[in-house]
Amino acid sequence: NAGVTQTPKFRILKIGQSMTLQCAQDMNHNYMYWYRQDPGMGLKLIYYSVGAGITDKGEVPNGYNVSRSTTEDFPLRLELAAPSQTSVYFCASSQGTQNTEAFFGQGTRLTVV
Amino acid sequence: GNSVTQMEGPVTLSEEAFLTINCTYTATGYPSLFWYVQYPGEGLQLLLKATKADDKGSNKGFEATYRKETTSFHLEKGSVQVSDSAVYFCALSDSSNTGKLIFGQGTTLQVKP
Repeated sequence: NAGVTQTPKFRILKIGQSMTLQCAQDMNHNYMYWYRQDPGMGLKLIYYSVGAGITDKGEVPNGYNVSRSTTEDFPLRLELAAPSQTSVYFCASSQGTQNTEAFFGQGTRLTVV
Repeated sequence: GNSVTQMEGPVTLSEEAFLTINCTYTATGYPSLFWYVQYPGEGLQLLLKATKADDKGSNKGFEATYRKETTSFHLEKGSVQVSDSAVYFCALSDSSNTGKLIFGQGTTLQVKP
């Protein structure tokens, strides 16, 4: 079982560049999420989606965009990268109810220089 | 708003020692509570959960009890192993039924032989 797959695993960007972090899941989950993990800060929700064509902002959405054209894929777009976006990014999926487990990808470590 | 607070780390223990990692939360309504674990270089994975007051979650020798009166969900293990070395995150899922998680800051556990 592949679960949640993120690419790339590592990336270095220059200030002002843009990139797309890819995320795909094969569990037919309607709900998908993007979190960022900063040292000593836990994970913060960037954006989430409750199904194809529906997305909504999380706690820290500024500087990011998402789209959800299929159930499987949930890419995260960074426009005009800034040093403050240096972080580890995790994609996750779930069945979406309060009690269910979230499944996480292995993460993308992004450095903006 | 909802929030989760964990004890600060790192926590360093000898093998077979008793482990407690404290977690308290603030939430309206009746959240579900989770412990996730992150092994080096990997994404997060569910360790255990509890969905209502007085529930006890358990897995791999770890336990945590949902205490509504003290708004706590402390993680315990009677005898830790070197393989338990990881980062542990306490999290809650509110009653919005979107599966969004609010995380504590994480506690690093290092177990020495």
